[in-house]
Amino acid sequence: DAKTTQPTSMDCAEGRAANLPCNHSTISGNEYVYWYRQIHSQGPQYIIHGLKNNETNEMASLIITEDRKSSTLILPHATLRDTAVYYCIVRAISGAGSYQLTFGKGTKLSVIP
Amino acid sequence: EAGVAQSPRYKIIEKRQSVAFWCNPISGHATLYWYQQILGQGPKLLIQFQNNGVVDDSQLPKDRFSAERLKGVDSTLKIQPAKLEDSAVYLCASSSSQSSYNEQFFGPGTRLTVL
Repeated sequence: DAKTTQPTSMDCAEGRAANLPCNHSTISGNEYVYWYRQIHSQGPQYIIHGLKNNETNEMASLIITEDRKSSTLILPHATLRDTAVYYCIVRAISGAGSYQLTFGKGTKLSVIP
Repeated sequence: EAGVAQSPRYKIIEKRQSVAFWCNPISGHATLYWYQQILGQGPKLLIQFQNNGVVDDSQLPKDRFSAERLKGVDSTLKIQPAKLEDSAVYLCASSSSQSSYNEQFFGPGTRLTVL
């Protein structure tokens, strides 16, 4: 799996957009970019994933650069409940329909009132 | 739908004792994962099951850790004997091959402290 690089920590003011970057310069053509987050004392939670097009769901938007070497997770209006560790993971989806996640240390996002 | 259930939520034992964790995945999810998360680090995969068969246990310390999923539903992870460095949160996750993007659903974890 391709290696990812994320900042250790970030702050964001409540109500503002939180933009979390991720570098994955060695990503392969069949590898997807996944984002999970882990709120304190809880298990990780899936947020979004994408291959090469930008994606949006009810939680966030994912912007992937044209060369696919980096991406940005955007939380459009951060709330205090978004304070968590955010993990960017690059992974190919197997034909068997299951895949393994290799977590790094992620970015600790603190949303400040 | 009910989420992934784990028990106990917390466990404190002394080194060299044994301990077992239980996981009940989301109904119908064929794939089950056990992760170990040491404080300050991301989760690390220990073992992956597909139904009642092991897909990958390459990172499971087999001299002291064992896991089973006998009927392809719930699963048990055991440590015997425990060491100080086993202190961690043990997370169980499940996924469905029916999902178009193979999202993994995680339980709340079991926090193990080895004294």
